[in-house]
Amino acid sequence: AQTVTQSQPEMSVQEAETVTLSCTYDTSESDYYLFWYKQPPSRQMILVIRQEAYKQQNATENRFSVNFQKAAKSFSLKISDSQLGDAAMYFCAYSEGGYGGSQGNLIFGKGTKLSVKP
Amino acid sequence: NAGVTQTPKFRILKIGQSMTLQCTQDMNHNYMYWYRQDPGMGLKLIYYSVGAGITDKGEVPNGYNVSRSTTEDFPLRLELAAPSQTSVYFCASSSPGTGQNIQYFGAGTRLSVL
Repeated sequence: AQTVTQSQPEMSVQEAETVTLSCTYDTSESDYYLFWYKQPPSRQMILVIRQEAYKQQNATENRFSVNFQKAAKSFSLKISDSQLGDAAMYFCAYSEGGYGGSQGNLIFGKGTKLSVKP
Repeated sequence: NAGVTQTPKFRILKIGQSMTLQCTQDMNHNYMYWYRQDPGMGLKLIYYSVGAGITDKGEVPNGYNVSRSTTEDFPLRLELAAPSQTSVYFCASSSPGTGQNIQYFGAGTRLSVL
């Protein structure tokens, strides 16, 4: 069974600095997707960034980027120029690729709580 | 754009009561999901559906039932509520056939069973 592990329960960063959140996963599949979701105190799950396993290039969305190491099964999130609004729980998630059946189901890590200090 | 809408936002149940959590989406997505999030944990899949009339169990289905009579709606039924079902429940939808595999979430329902 696939698993997702986030080893940092809490992280803290100074405003305008850079922080990296870690995520490792275990799978025997070759076609899959990886995601980072943000959950602010409002509870809403917000997609931050998405990576397709077959793409070697790391995904980037504005201040958010990932370091995807497929062989090491590592998928870290880097937040540059941290802002107060970045404070939230961040969840790493995995889903299999393909179509039909359970392939779309997300498997989540336990999350990392990010605090941003002014 | 409404996206995924969940009702109610909050609910308190007594042990043994039943209720239905409602979920509807207006994106014409085939796939819909129900997750629960316990304190300090990530989301765990309860049930999912790949289309109208088709449902299947996820990781933690015990104590819940679902139905999918239309593409838009995917209600979650709790029978004989227990304190262990105190959690935040999220509904989501996606369209894996587009190759995106992105799930869109509702705002969640906070349920307490006392």
